[in-house]
Amino acid sequence: DGGITQSPKYLFRKEGQNVTLSCEQNLNHDAMYWYRQDPGQGLRLIYYSQIVNDFQKGDIAEGYSVSREKKESFPLTVTSAQKNPTAFYLCASSPVTLAGGSTDTQYFGPGTRLTVL
Amino acid sequence: AQSVTQLDSQVPVFEEAPVELRCNYSSSVSVYLFWYVQYPNQGLQLLLKYLSGSTLVKGINGFEAEFNKSQTSFHLRKPSVHISDTAEYFCAVSGSARQLTFGSGTQLTVLP
Repeated sequence: DGGITQSPKYLFRKEGQNVTLSCEQNLNHDAMYWYRQDPGQGLRLIYYSQIVNDFQKGDIAEGYSVSREKKESFPLTVTSAQKNPTAFYLCASSPVTLAGGSTDTQYFGPGTRLTVL
Repeated sequence: AQSVTQLDSQVPVFEEAPVELRCNYSSSVSVYLFWYVQYPNQGLQLLLKYLSGSTLVKGINGFEAEFNKSQTSFHLRKPSVHISDTAEYFCAVSGSARQLTFGSGTQLTVLP
């Protein structure tokens, strides 16, 4: 059964602690993405990766870090430098990009809700 | 740069009535357009997409959308909604930046 898994579904952390969110896909997709969702603001791109061992900053990368050591995995670390980390985090993946560099359909995981106390 | 505007943040509608959720975009290049649906505390699910060809696109759950290049719009429609359609709907555009840009979302609430 192919898809994207994110764990855990709910995560609580104390202020000042780093935390890593897991994202795994078995769709054999090349590209993977991390988004942050806040109420009334839609989705904002944090980081994305087109191939293994390469990734680019999105619109709101400050206070976050990622790695892409395997095609199937794209973990996101929320560091203590992120001023307001409480949010819903969504991971997505997509197959090869379309002609012209555009991205094809992105498929989303179920999300992780992070609450910093 | 590209951007997406969803003109209505909330749309209440009675069951079995028609609905239209509006989406306008701006981009300096050719675009691909998507509509996603999100149920509470879940990820996004693709409803439909426009890549090329016919400007009227049919998706899942009886939804359809029409791409209008001159008006830079991609409005989502359904002729008769059900209670189960209550969810948040996101319009998104993909241009040359290898990224999706999302609108801020429209909460559709279907009333009995």
